Amino acid sequence: GAVVSQHPSRVICKSGTSVKIECRSLDFQATTMFWYRQFPKKSLMLMATSNEGSKATYEQGVEKDKFLINHASLTLSTLTVTSAHPEDSSFYICSALAGEWTYNEQFFGPGTRLTVL
Amino acid sequence: AQSVTQLGSHVSVSEGALVLLRCNYSSSVPPYLFWYVQYPNQGLQLLLKYTSAATLVKGINGFEAEFKKSETSFHLTKPSAHMSDAAEYFCAVNGGFGNEKLTFGTGTRLTIIP
Repeated sequence: GAVVSQHPSRVICKSGTSVKIECRSLDFQATTMFWYRQFPKKSLMLMATSNEGSKATYEQGVEKDKFLINHASLTLSTLTVTSAHPEDSSFYICSALAGEWTYNEQFFGPGTRLTVL
Repeated sequence: AQSVTQLGSHVSVSEGALVLLRCNYSSSVPPYLFWYVQYPNQGLQLLLKYTSAATLVKGINGFEAEFKKSETSFHLTKPSAHMSDAAEYFCAVNGGFGNEKLTFGTGTRLTIIP
């Protein structure tokens, strides 16, 4: 149980276009999901906390107009990178917070590799 | 505020040797501590977690970690390294219920020497 999927796994886009990444909890409901960014050979940087039915909470330094997050249901959160530029190229990972039965463990998706040309 | 420090960005051990990956934490509240493993171009997989129960925690793939409050440490060990253990390992901390945001260490790349 507690499986999280991400789609797409890889995406290549042109500079100036927008890209949407989906994060789904497949066998549990997640009121809270997190979005991380990971640069090559670096640790994970928390970008934002996504709560179902409310606005996302962004970490300091993360542009909310650039990285749009929508958590429309208990199993789906989306991250849209708007007007993407080459510096947005990165590995994006989401996680979903399971309930008290897992001591509020975060379950991670497999990640999405974004390359902006 | 919480933080973790992983000593050693790269660790190399021979196959069959002891694996020891170090993690020290700082937390203003009783911490929940986690070790994750990441293989290239993949997400994170939980190895084990400490949630204020037993201080010696056993995880998957033969890994274990011991929570030592006096030393503010949560080092990861495995008695005998296997080639398949080569990966990036992350230590992370959060404040438990109501404070689930994870703070990650910088990671340790484990290389296994045949």
